[in-house]
Amino acid sequence: AQKVTQAQTEISVVEKEDVTLDCVYETRDTTYYLFWYKQPPSGELVFLIRRNSFDEQNEISGRYSWNFQKSTSSFNFTITASQVVDSAVYFCALSEAGRDFNKFYFGSGTKLNVKP
Amino acid sequence: GAGVSQTPSNKVTEKGKYVELRCDPISGHTALYWYRQSLGQGPEFLIYFQGTGAADDSGLPNDRFFAVRPEGSVSTLKIQRTERGDSAVYLCASSFGQTYNEQFFGPGTRLTVL
Repeated sequence: AQKVTQAQTEISVVEKEDVTLDCVYETRDTTYYLFWYKQPPSGELVFLIRRNSFDEQNEISGRYSWNFQKSTSSFNFTITASQVVDSAVYFCALSEAGRDFNKFYFGSGTKLNVKP
Repeated sequence: GAGVSQTPSNKVTEKGKYVELRCDPISGHTALYWYRQSLGQGPEFLIYFQGTGAADDSGLPNDRFFAVRPEGSVSTLKIQRTERGDSAVYLCASSFGQTYNEQFFGPGTRLTVL
């Protein structure tokens, strides 16, 4: 079974629109970490955020915000006022205490196209 | 400072051949990871090193795959008797300290097995 599901394969928006990327995870551990990474066309994955399972506070960083809800096992990512430079594939990932956090489980990614 | 580097950036080989992929992590990073990314998929964990030892190799698909990190810095992923299904981008990442810290990824090596 997939531990991290990103149901949206591809999303297209017009610049300045807001967009939310969904991430649903599955774990039996009470202690775990969730991550978001960005993979631009150049290919190199770039870290965006890490959230531990005990911190359900939403986080905002500039145009980026994250909504972590344990009740629905979701860790969604919103880009406000999207820009063309946001075009990339975005991955959600999970690491679990039961695996000593060694193993990162990545979702299959959501490709975001922001058109001018 | 320098990021994670991987060589070669592209490798084309024939089925049955042996290949080595190299990863040079960020200086001072004790943890090193290898992932494999197939087209349209997320990275898939292969192996994790803490220092010189492989702390978790549960992601290696079979015994044709092997990785080493003899001095706790540079790592080499070795694939014997390559098969067409091994074609993918092989990513290396490193991190400092605890394994739940952010991982810094290299640009990857695109392996094509003909």
